[in-house]
Amino acid sequence: NAGVMQNPRHLVRRRGQEARLRCSPMKGHSHVYWYRQLPEEGLKFMVYLQKENIIDESGMPKERFSAEFPKEGPSILRIQQVVRGDSAAYFCASSSGLAARGETQYFGPGTRLLVL
Amino acid sequence: KNEVEQSPQNLTAQEGEFITINCSYSVGISALHWLQQHPGGGIVSLFMLSSGKKKHGRLIATINIQEKHSSLHITASHPRDSAVYICAVVEGGSQGNLIFGKGTKLSVKP
Repeated sequence: NAGVMQNPRHLVRRRGQEARLRCSPMKGHSHVYWYRQLPEEGLKFMVYLQKENIIDESGMPKERFSAEFPKEGPSILRIQQVVRGDSAAYFCASSSGLAARGETQYFGPGTRLLVL
Repeated sequence: KNEVEQSPQNLTAQEGEFITINCSYSVGISALHWLQQHPGGGIVSLFMLSSGKKKHGRLIATINIQEKHSSLHITASHPRDSAVYICAVVEGGSQGNLIFGKGTKLSVKP
C-alpha cells in the first residue's frame, strides 16, 4: 500500500509564474490536509479538503492560492503569480476519516518550492 | 504567544542517554501528535495521544490533559534518533487540522 505521494519533490519557479503541487493520498483516504513550512519556521495549516469539497481553508492566503480535490485524481494546491515569500516546503497529509475524531494523518514527503 | 510551545529548542546528547522533550499547549484539544522530521525533510507520525501513555520501542509519550502538557522520552538514544521532533495538537471542535510547535532539534553524538 503506497504511502502519500507528492510531486514534484522540488519545484523552481520565477516570480510571476504559477506553481502546481500535487498530492495523492493513501489508498482509501478521502481526507487531505495541506501544510506549509517556511524556512526556519514551524509547520502551519493551510487547507482541509474531502473529495470534491473544501472543508476548511482558514489557513490559506486569500489571494493567489487555491486548492482542489476532484472526484478523480490527486489534490492540487495551486499558487498563481508566485513571489519569493512563497518559497517553502509544502506538505500534504491524508487520513481515512476525520482527524478531529482521532484518525491518524499520514504525511507525504513534501514539495520544496523555490521562487527565484 | 504560540498555542503550542516546545522545549528545549535544541538538544545535544551522547549516545545512550535518556532524552526528554516537552510540549505545552494553551487550547483545549481532542488529540496530540508527536512527529519526527528527518534531515531529508520527510515527516513521520510517531504517536497520537488523547490520554495516558504510549510506548513504541525506545520511545515513550505521555500526556497530562489537566496540565496541558506532554512529554516524549527516548531511552538509550542513538545517533539515528537525530531529527527534529514536533509536537502538534488537534484543537477541540476543529476539523482536525494540526497546530504545530516549532520543533526540537535533537542531535545524538556517538
